[in-house]
Amino acid sequence: TQLLEQSPQFLSIQEGENLTVYCNSSSVFSSLQWYRQEPGEGPVLLVTVVTGGEVKKLKRLTFQFGDARKDSSLHITAAQPGDTGLYLCAGRDNYGQNFVFGPGTRLSVLP
Amino acid sequence: ETGVTQTPRHLVMGMTNKKSLKCEQHLGHNAMYWYKQSAKKPLELMFVYSLEERVENNSVPSRFSPECPNSSHLFLHLHTLQPEDSALYLCASSQEYELYGYTFGSGTRLTVV
Repeated sequence: TQLLEQSPQFLSIQEGENLTVYCNSSSVFSSLQWYRQEPGEGPVLLVTVVTGGEVKKLKRLTFQFGDARKDSSLHITAAQPGDTGLYLCAGRDNYGQNFVFGPGTRLSVLP
Repeated sequence: ETGVTQTPRHLVMGMTNKKSLKCEQHLGHNAMYWYKQSAKKPLELMFVYSLEERVENNSVPSRFSPECPNSSHLFLHLHTLQPEDSALYLCASSQEYELYGYTFGSGTRLTVV
């Protein structure tokens, strides 16, 4: 069974600061996704990465997939209150058809 | 309507009640999922339907009974639940085997009293 760990578990920062959250596993993933979940809503897909070393940018968000495809990071530049939410990573291995989710990082950006 | 719609948004039920959660997707996806989200635990996959056939059941207790009458609708029938079943129940859909990810509904917040 794959296990995804996310760190930190909680993060509270001021508006304008930069931050990085991490997703780690001992398993190799064929693809990995990041979602953001706001209170009272379901998760919303942000990005999918499939190639080791791949970097994708979505406005102020930068996603990186580790070279060995076992880990990923999400960097947010100049965080805004609208970035507040639960950030979830989800990985799928070469054999599974479904994604396994990590426990998430709960981010709070204070104005 | 577009996306994935779940009803009701909130549900309070007694342990002897029978209720059903409903999910509807208008995205043309061919796979649908039920997830359970509890406090301090990762999203737990409960059931997967692909082309209206159940392809996965992750050791879910029989007091949860899914139904997928067609590719656009998914139900979760609940009976004799326990207080520990209180959670956010999320429905999702996807185009199976593709990398586009899941589209989630807003969830049903279930409280068992």
